[in-house]
Amino acid sequence: DTGVSQNPRHKITKRGQNVTFRCDPISEHNRLYWYRQTLGQGPEFLTYFQNEAQLEKSRLLSDRFSAERPKGSFSTLEIQRTEQGDSAMYLCASSLGQDFNSPLHFGNGTRLTVT
Amino acid sequence: AQTVTQSQPEMSVQEAETVTLSCTYDTSESDYYLFWYKQPPSRQMILVIRQEAYKQQNATENRFSVNFQKAAKSFSLKISDSQLGDAAMYFCAYRSPSDSNYQLIWGAGTKLIIKP
Repeated sequence: DTGVSQNPRHKITKRGQNVTFRCDPISEHNRLYWYRQTLGQGPEFLTYFQNEAQLEKSRLLSDRFSAERPKGSFSTLEIQRTEQGDSAMYLCASSLGQDFNSPLHFGNGTRLTVT
Repeated sequence: AQTVTQSQPEMSVQEAETVTLSCTYDTSESDYYLFWYKQPPSRQMILVIRQEAYKQQNATENRFSVNFQKAAKSFSLKISDSQLGDAAMYFCAYRSPSDSNYQLIWGAGTKLIIKP
């Protein structure tokens, strides 16, 4: 178990630029979540995959955000035309199976700063 | 809709002493799951302890235990013999079995400071 891996750890970009983050979940985990977290707050749900299918997307997520999980393995989160309000920590988490008790395993996150 | 409230933005405790972090939630469901997660300054969120609502016995994991009061909708975390490594943000979370996407509903977190 190598854990959930996220890249890059930090990203600084200018407003208006596009950015893409990558998440590699624990290999046998079929569920993958993206969250956004601002300082001093709990994670805010963005989107969820079961295998390669994107099953849920937050209504708070603007059309500038898109996520993919080709082949049900790694996932990417792209933000187009970034805005300063997009500055946050982006967390990826994965979990396994049908058990409601199964915990989420989180990556270290990608910290995005939009200047 | 379910909500989770952590009323203590920050708590501090002397090393080796015991501290209790509070969490309350609102739900109309009878069966659900509750979790405490820890997020140290390195930022990786880690599961501390979990509790199934249908179990009356409070969950325990080494120095961590919960006081689950279902009628009061309260789920507090007790940390005994506090250690410097316990310093972190602690988040309480709720999961409903009626949510097929296994979504977690999160509290705003409590920052725990350990005084040496």
